[in-house]
Amino acid sequence: AQSVTQLDSQVPVFEEAPVELRCNYSSSVSVYLFWYVQYPNQGLQLLLKYLSGSTLVKGINGFEAEFNKSQTSFHLRKPSVHISDTAEYFCAVTVDNAGKSTFGDGTTLTVKP
Amino acid sequence: DGGITQSPKYLFRKEGQNVTLSCEQNLNHDAMYWYRQDPGQGLRLIYYSQIVNDFQKGDIAEGYSVSREKKESFPLTVTSAQKNPTAFYLCASSSPPGAEAFFGQGTRLTVV
Repeated sequence: AQSVTQLDSQVPVFEEAPVELRCNYSSSVSVYLFWYVQYPNQGLQLLLKYLSGSTLVKGINGFEAEFNKSQTSFHLRKPSVHISDTAEYFCAVTVDNAGKSTFGDGTTLTVKP
Repeated sequence: DGGITQSPKYLFRKEGQNVTLSCEQNLNHDAMYWYRQDPGQGLRLIYYSQIVNDFQKGDIAEGYSVSREKKESFPLTVTSAQKNPTAFYLCASSSPPGAEAFFGQGTRLTVV
């Protein structure tokens, strides 16, 4: 079975600073990888996804992530954050045709002025 | 506008009562999912369905039941057997399986 570990439960950062949210996964087969964002009392929205091809994936709101197969990682980055980026971020992995995703426990990003 | 609609947004239930959460999608997606979210625990899969009239248990199915009589609808019933039902419930869909999931806005269930 696959698993996802988000290495930081909380990440505080100042506005306009860069940020990296770390995600490691384990799986014995090929995976699809996703990052989602959740604002309070709302559902999840897709930020970006890796299905195949280029290992550097660009998403919405200036976020990007790099798939590293040898390190089984899929870290999320943004060069300059805004107050509006304050939210919960989830990394997810899917390995089978049922499309069931396994989610990490989430990372709370807090952007301070 | 295509999307997933969950209702109600907030729901209160007395102990010992069953309650049904609604999930409807107009995205023409084959697969639908129910997740439970608790603080600090991420999302846990309750049930999923890949096709009409078929569904499978997820990781925490005990105390829950579902049906999939129509492609658009995947209601979740929280039964009195669920020992700790207070949580935020999220419905999602995807197509094809393995693609990204589209989520509803969630239902917050509180047992009083």
